[in-house]
Order: sequence, then C-alpha cells, then structure tokens
Amino acid sequence: AIRMTQSPSSLSASTGDRVTITCRASQDITPYVAWYHQKPGKAPKLLIYAATTLQSGVPSRFSGSGSGTDFTLTLSSLQSEDFGTYYCQQYHSYPFTFGPGTTVDIK
Amino acid sequence: QITLKESGPTLVEPTQTLTLTCNFSGFSLTSYGVGVGWARQPPGKAPEWLAFIYWDDEKRYNPSLQSRLTITKDTSKNQFHLTMTNMDPVDTATYFCAHRLRGADLFDYWGQGTLVTVSS
Repeated sequence: AIRMTQSPSSLSASTGDRVTITCRASQDITPYVAWYHQKPGKAPKLLIYAATTLQSGVPSRFSGSGSGTDFTLTLSSLQSEDFGTYYCQQYHSYPFTFGPGTTVDIK
Repeated sequence: QITLKESGPTLVEPTQTLTLTCNFSGFSLTSYGVGVGWARQPPGKAPEWLAFIYWDDEKRYNPSLQSRLTITKDTSKNQFHLTMTNMDPVDTATYFCAHRLRGADLFDYWGQGTLVTVSS
C-alpha cells in the first residue's frame, strides 16, 4: 500500500495568515491526490482533487500544488472557520490511503 | 442535492457480524459512472477506505479487510449496505457511507457517520 505522510502534524496560526500543509507519498502518485477538511464530530469535506482542482463551492483561498511524491495545500488567508484537521488522500492505486492529518487551530 | 445517511447498530459484540445500511437521495445508482462506498475512522485517527460499489455492480475492497467485507446495493430502495464479519474491538470506529466523485475514486459527499463500538 502507498504510505502517506503529512507535515506538520499540528499548527497554530492567526486569522489572515498564510498556511501551508505538506503531504508526501511513498511513490509517484501524480496527480491522484485529494485534500479534505474535517471538523470535530463531522464528516470530511472534499476541498481539492487531482492535486490542483478546487471542488465546487470551496472558497478560492484554498489551493493545491505538487507532483511526483510531494504535494501542498495552501490557505492564502486563514479564516476562523478553517480550524480542524486536514487530510491528504491518494487515489492512484488500491487501497486508497489517507495521511495522518494536520490539525489547525486558530490563535 | 446529494444526501446520505447511515443506519445500523451502535454496539456489536466481538465475533459478531456488523451490517450497515446507507440511505441516499439526489442521485441514481443505476446511472453510468456512479459509485458509492464506505470508509471508517477510529477515534482520533485518520479515515480508512473500505469499499466501493459501482453502477454496474463492480466492487472494490480494501485488501487488508477484503475477506471480512461485503458491499451490496438495492437500487429499488436507494440503499447500499456493508457487512463486516468477525468484529473485533479494534474495529470500533465511526463508519461513513459516501458518494464517489464521477471519474475519480474518491468521495465527494459523505454521510454524517455512525459510531460503532465493539465490546462485550
């Protein structure tokens, strides 16, 4: 199975800050990476797929980039509603696997 | 508007079989390219993909759990189901049903999830 890692595991930032989360795969998975946001007690919400494509209805402050084994999720200006945990997921090959998550809290 | 909702037992004893049902609306599982599936998330951990079933009844399972999983659909009732045999306390998790993004094997719409605890 393809192993996904994320960094950092957690971060604290202020509203308006630029936030970057990194995801690394154990092999080339271009472009089959998705990013999700999850708030406590809720289901994950799809933000980005195909590494860079913004899901319908997701604010444009979210963006994705990367190729090969290294991918990045960027929040250009953190908002209060962006707290929670962010997961990357590869859907290049079975079994589809998630990263361990990055928890974002608002200072 | 796509919606999904899980139902099933909240408590299962070790060695028992878990059966979950997902009731959905806003799409048809008979339409070309449509797929649905299940994922689970142990408390405090990342989600884990379990299974897909597609409009043509093709099925895909997580190899680590394949011997214990069965996914089926009932298009007349707008439902699909997951059966997991030989439940163990490590299977305690929130189980989600979800809709597959057209053209990509990932989930774009999720149910609210149902917490299943395995304990005697």
